[in-house]
Amino acid sequence: TQLLEQSPQFLSIQEGENLTVYCNSSSVFSSLQWYRQEPGEGPVLLVTVVTGGEVKKLKRLTFQFGDARKDSSLHITAAQPGDTGLYLCAGVPNAGGTSYGKLTFGQGTILTVHP
Amino acid sequence: GAGVSQSPSNKVTEKGKDVELRCDPISGHTALYWYRQSLGQGLEFLIYFQGNSAPDKSGLPSDRFSAERTGGSVSTLTIQRTQQEDSAVYLCASSLGLRGSSGANVLTFGAGSRLTVL
Repeated sequence: TQLLEQSPQFLSIQEGENLTVYCNSSSVFSSLQWYRQEPGEGPVLLVTVVTGGEVKKLKRLTFQFGDARKDSSLHITAAQPGDTGLYLCAGVPNAGGTSYGKLTFGQGTILTVHP
Repeated sequence: GAGVSQSPSNKVTEKGKDVELRCDPISGHTALYWYRQSLGQGLEFLIYFQGNSAPDKSGLPSDRFSAERTGGSVSTLTIQRTQQEDSAVYLCASSLGLRGSSGANVLTFGAGSRLTVL
């Protein structure tokens, strides 16, 4: 069973601060995704990282995939109240080199950004 | 439809009763997934349908849980003899499901069905 350890579980910060969320595993993943979920809604995909060492930027969000494809991080610069939500990482299993959609999710990080 | 539709959005039931949760995936998506989410937590995989293949039921927590997908489209998750620990949000997702393609990994989730067992 592949597990993803996500940390921290809770983050409460002031507007303008920076933060980093980590996602770690002992397993290799074909790719890794980050989702954001708001109350009463389903998770929405933010980004997929595929290549070891890959860095992707989405405005103030920077996503990195570890060289060994076992870990990932999400860094938010100058957080805004609109960034508040539950952030989830999800790993796509490395099944024989053919990837498919049965994702393993981390426990999630509840981010609160205060004005 | 344009998105994944789930019903009911909220269900309150008494312990021991059976419940059915419905998912209507995005048209053309061959893969359909059910996940369970406890309050503010990550998602627990339940079951996965891909086209006409036998479903992957490896995540179902007990034999009280079952799911079917009729005509490769709508899916129903059934929980028999509900217990209080079944209380959670049940999320359905669909994807293009083309094994080996990037589309297989892009899941679109519904808003979920919140189940409360009293």
